[in-house]
Amino acid sequence: GAGVSQSPSNKVTEKGKDVELRCDPISGHTALYWYRQSLGQGLEFLIYFQGNSAPDKSGLPSDRFSAERTGGSVSTLTIQRTQQEDSAVYLCASSHPRSWGVTEAFFGQGTRLTVV
Amino acid sequence: LAKTTQPISMDSYEGQEVNITCSHNNIATNDYITWYQQFPSQGPRFIIQGYKTKVTNEVASLFIPADRKSSTLSLPRVSLSDTAVYYCLVGEENAGNNRKLIWGLGTSLAVNP
Repeated sequence: GAGVSQSPSNKVTEKGKDVELRCDPISGHTALYWYRQSLGQGLEFLIYFQGNSAPDKSGLPSDRFSAERTGGSVSTLTIQRTQQEDSAVYLCASSHPRSWGVTEAFFGQGTRLTVV
Repeated sequence: LAKTTQPISMDSYEGQEVNITCSHNNIATNDYITWYQQFPSQGPRFIIQGYKTKVTNEVASLFIPADRKSSTLSLPRVSLSDTAVYYCLVGEENAGNNRKLIWGLGTSLAVNP
C-alpha cells in the first residue's frame, strides 16, 4: 500500500479480554516499530522489529504485551488480560532498510484502544 | 538521550509566521534535531531535520545556533491546517537507538482565523 495501515482504527474491549492490533507496513520496509501514546502524552516506544526478529523489546510494559511479525511484513501486537491503563493509541511505524532510525519512519494512523 | 523542552501551547493567526523554540541543553556531538507534526487522530509526520545553522524545505525552516543547545522551527504564513502538535526530538541520525527517543508533550499550535 501507499502508507502504513493499522487495523482496527478503534477498539473497545472489556477489562480482562485479549486484543490483537494489526500493522501493515510500507512494502519493502524491513524496520517496524510499535509505540503507545496515552491521552495528551508523547510517544512511548514498545518494540522494534528488523525483518521478523525483534532485537529490542525493552519498551513492552509487562508480559501481557507481545508482538510478532511474519514474512517480514505484517505485525500483530497482542495485549492479554487488558487493563484500563492499557487504554491509549497504539501507533505503528516502518522505515526503509537504509534508514535505521525512527527519524525517517512513516507512521500509521494508529489504533485507539479503550478498555472499559 | 537528550531531553527536550518546548512550550506546551502557542496561538497564532492565519498568515503569520510561527516560531517554536526547543531547548536541548544536553545535546551530544552526534545528535541531530528532528521535528515532527501530529494532527488529531493521526500518527506523527516528519517535518524537518538539521544538525547546525539553518535548514529549509518546502514546509518549514529550522534554525540552530552555534552552541546547538536550542533550535527554532519556523513555519511561514501559517494556515488553519497547520493546527497540530509539534514535537522536537534529539538523537543520532540513523542510529538504532533513535527508536527510543524521548517524545515529550510537544507544542500544541492553534491557528485562528
